[in-house]
Amino acid sequence: GAVVSQHPSRVICKSGTSVKIECRSLDFQATTMFWYRQFPKKSLMLMATSNEGSKATYEQGVEKDKFLINHASLTLSTLTVTSAHPEDSSFYICSAGGEYGYTFGSGTRLTVV
Amino acid sequence: GNSVTQMEGPVTLSEEAFLTINCTYTATGYPSLFWYVQYPGEGLQLLLKATKADDKGSNKGFEATYRKETTSFHLEKGSVQVSDSAVYFCALAGGTSYGKLTFGQGTILTVHP
Repeated sequence: GAVVSQHPSRVICKSGTSVKIECRSLDFQATTMFWYRQFPKKSLMLMATSNEGSKATYEQGVEKDKFLINHASLTLSTLTVTSAHPEDSSFYICSAGGEYGYTFGSGTRLTVV
Repeated sequence: GNSVTQMEGPVTLSEEAFLTINCTYTATGYPSLFWYVQYPGEGLQLLLKATKADDKGSNKGFEATYRKETTSFHLEKGSVQVSDSAVYFCALAGGTSYGKLTFGQGTILTVHP
């Protein structure tokens, strides 16, 4: 079956630094990648949708300059949290859309100290 | 726009009890419906899905039937196990937001021995 590899699974960074999260689709081409954010005990909030080779579409209220998304190939999408602050601490999950439907990565726990 | 409403949790059951988690949705057209499960510290896994009215999705003893007349997709399991303890999300794709998944708020299930 389709697998999406997401890493790092956990990252702790200092306030003001940037963090990159990668999602790779294994054995299939992900034409569309979705990036979600999950707050404790709350549902997933869609942050942005990216299609290979084009600019990401951000949901209302999501700062595109803060959450940079790159989808340069059919198997790799990255989310960079720039100038991270403690309020950016969260669980970030990617999802790849392709012939197998929606496949989720295992998530990244970001803690900004 | 699309929306999904799940019964509020948390839900606490004894092993071998019957489980129902209610899910209703609002969407135009003919969305696909999903149940995802999230184990502690992990990403989301697809549990089951249904793509048209009256379809029944099933997996690992869980079942849900796509009811268009009541716009519902309730999750059921006849006999839960401790290992079923997780967060369950109802979601839909399609309708007015083609390609994006809209999630319910999640229901925490805890099963005691």
